[in-house]
Amino acid sequence: GAGVSQSPSNKVTEKGKDVELRCDPISGHTALYWYRQSLGQGLEFLIYFQGNSAPDKSGLPSDRFSAERTGGSVSTLTIQRTQQEDSAVYLCASSLVLLASQETQYFGPGTRLLVL
Amino acid sequence: AQSVTQPDIHITVSEGASLELRCNYSYGATPYLFWYVQSPGQGLQLLLKYFSGDTLVQGIKGFEAEFKRSQSSFNLRKPSVHWSDAAEYFCAVGTNTGNQFYFGTGTSLTVIP
Repeated sequence: GAGVSQSPSNKVTEKGKDVELRCDPISGHTALYWYRQSLGQGLEFLIYFQGNSAPDKSGLPSDRFSAERTGGSVSTLTIQRTQQEDSAVYLCASSLVLLASQETQYFGPGTRLLVL
Repeated sequence: AQSVTQPDIHITVSEGASLELRCNYSYGATPYLFWYVQSPGQGLQLLLKYFSGDTLVQGIKGFEAEFKRSQSSFNLRKPSVHWSDAAEYFCAVGTNTGNQFYFGTGTSLTVIP
């Protein structure tokens, strides 16, 4: 079956604009995660979903960041009023069940965001 | 607080040589440990994972890792490196109380002929 897909693969935007990043998880995976990978940094956890709910939003760096998931499938990460420091690769992952600490996460190829 | 440290930012090895990538973690209970590999332009792929039992775990592509509780380490090894192993390697720890992974900053591996 298909893996995790993300779109767009690359996004260049101007400072102050809003962007939406999309993630299509593996069919049947209930858990979905968003990470940010900045140059020279590890993966920074942003948010996870169990079904359509997001019990833990503690990783979102500011209130400019939001995410939603509909139908227990596709998720959208929105960054409002983008700043240059938002430039990074945004990775999405899904796992079969929520117990992330025990489950293998399957990662998408990422969206490379560049804010000019 | 949980954390993962990969002390080596970049490692260069000759093809055919052995490899060891270091990973240290900080977590109060028994951790769930993972190694992922990220090849250029690709998503992260799981190499291996440790939950319990035998502390030496085998993964894909000929990799193995050993969990050493006394050293809080989970080092990744391969006896003979291939040029296709050039990639970024990430160690991660999962906890038994939450649903987050904590990733290290990664080790970039270069393989020279």
